[in-house]
Amino acid sequence: GAVVSQHPSRVICKSGTSVKIECRSLDFQATTMFWYRQFPKQSLMLMATSNEGSKATYEQGVEKDKFLINHASLTLSTLTVTSAHPEDSSFYICSARDLRGGRDTQYFGPGTRLTVL
Amino acid sequence: AQKVTQAQTEISVVEKEDVTLDCVYETRDTTYYLFWYKQPPSGELVFLIRRNSFDEQNEISGRYSWNFQKSTSSFNFTITASQVVDSAVYFCALSYDSSGSARQLTFGSGTQLTVLP
Repeated sequence: GAVVSQHPSRVICKSGTSVKIECRSLDFQATTMFWYRQFPKQSLMLMATSNEGSKATYEQGVEKDKFLINHASLTLSTLTVTSAHPEDSSFYICSARDLRGGRDTQYFGPGTRLTVL
Repeated sequence: AQKVTQAQTEISVVEKEDVTLDCVYETRDTTYYLFWYKQPPSGELVFLIRRNSFDEQNEISGRYSWNFQKSTSSFNFTITASQVVDSAVYFCALSYDSSGSARQLTFGSGTQLTVLP
């Protein structure tokens, strides 16, 4: 199979603090992972592409200094929301690109619901 | 530019009815992939199917079937004999090369399917 985990599943923090979200591919190696944001009743919006061993690529309008991405190994990417504010409250979902057997499919984690007070 | 349109925002059916979810896409790429994902209330995106642009063969998997037609740029999804557990948001997505490396996904806006008992 292709399993992607995400931790934590839910986090509540105070305004001004930083929050780290981990995304792991459990049974395959992923040189590329993606971070999405989803507002209620809306579709997924790509925030950034995380590449193992190199800098992440951010989508237009996404502040790279606010959303720090680190892809230190072939199975782990982290997203850190720095100095979080209430407007950062959202559902964050990661995916890992599975290239085994030429399948080239993104498998998604269960998501992290961030609430900033 | 890549675009995926899911014109049906919400669909409601009674259990055991068949239901078709529409997806229309736009791309200039000659090689691309199309996907369907299911997002139940828990939030996790579940991979359902991936189709290569060169493979127009329709596919059936249990109660699910997919109709891919390049001539109309459509990739429709049918659930036969729907069940309450099929209630979820269904996303159609298109993947394309981004800067010659990672294949990014463009998502449609999603269709909320509600199956009533």
